Amino acid sequence: GQQVMQIPQYQHVQEGEDFTTYCNSSTTLSNIQWYKQRPGGHPVFLIQLVKSGEVKKQKRLTFQFGEAKKNSSLHITATQTTDVGTYFCAGFNAGNNRKLIWGLGTSLAVNP
Amino acid sequence: DTGVSQDPRHKITKRGQNVTFRCDPISEHNRLYWYRQTLGQGPEFLTYFQNEAQLEKSRLLSDRFSAERPKGSFSTLEIQRTEQGDSAMYLCASSSGTSGRAGTGELFFGEGSRLTVL
Repeated sequence: GQQVMQIPQYQHVQEGEDFTTYCNSSTTLSNIQWYKQRPGGHPVFLIQLVKSGEVKKQKRLTFQFGEAKKNSSLHITATQTTDVGTYFCAGFNAGNNRKLIWGLGTSLAVNP
Repeated sequence: DTGVSQDPRHKITKRGQNVTFRCDPISEHNRLYWYRQTLGQGPEFLTYFQNEAQLEKSRLLSDRFSAERPKGSFSTLEIQRTEQGDSAMYLCASSSGTSGRAGTGELFFGEGSRLTVL
């Protein structure tokens, strides 16, 4: 079945360093969404990318959607302790808009 | 509060008992999802409603799991004859996706219902 792979699984960085998580789907996605889940919390929507090659920025966060609409990345510049959490990508299969397929997430730890 | 609410937040039960969780989505949202999440894992899709119609159900779910959304508003998820492997966080989410369009719209999650089966 369709899978969404996300790497790395864990990342420890020093505050101020950059961080990137990558998401790869086995099939073409109609769109991709990114969520952040703080420890003990629930997933919170960050952004949705729809167009091939789309790039969106939110302050220190940069999101990209691949040309083939099969991969995506989230890059955080100059991490802060408030960035701690697990970042999930999730995409709708181009042929099935009923359920999001989730990656396993990248857990980010930031050392002050 | 106009967010997604779930009840109860925590449930401890003995193996073999039945449990029911309730989700009240954001009122104008026609899509409702149930997910299950265990520690260190991403949300695992359980089922999806568009209005009152249950359009998809995970093949991973056994017959012990059933969900309803009788009037297209709140939803319930029932687990019969609970097993220890059912222990998890059960998350409900809603969105305002439009019927017929490609998957779109952010999911708004509730705080979840944590189930512990002893």
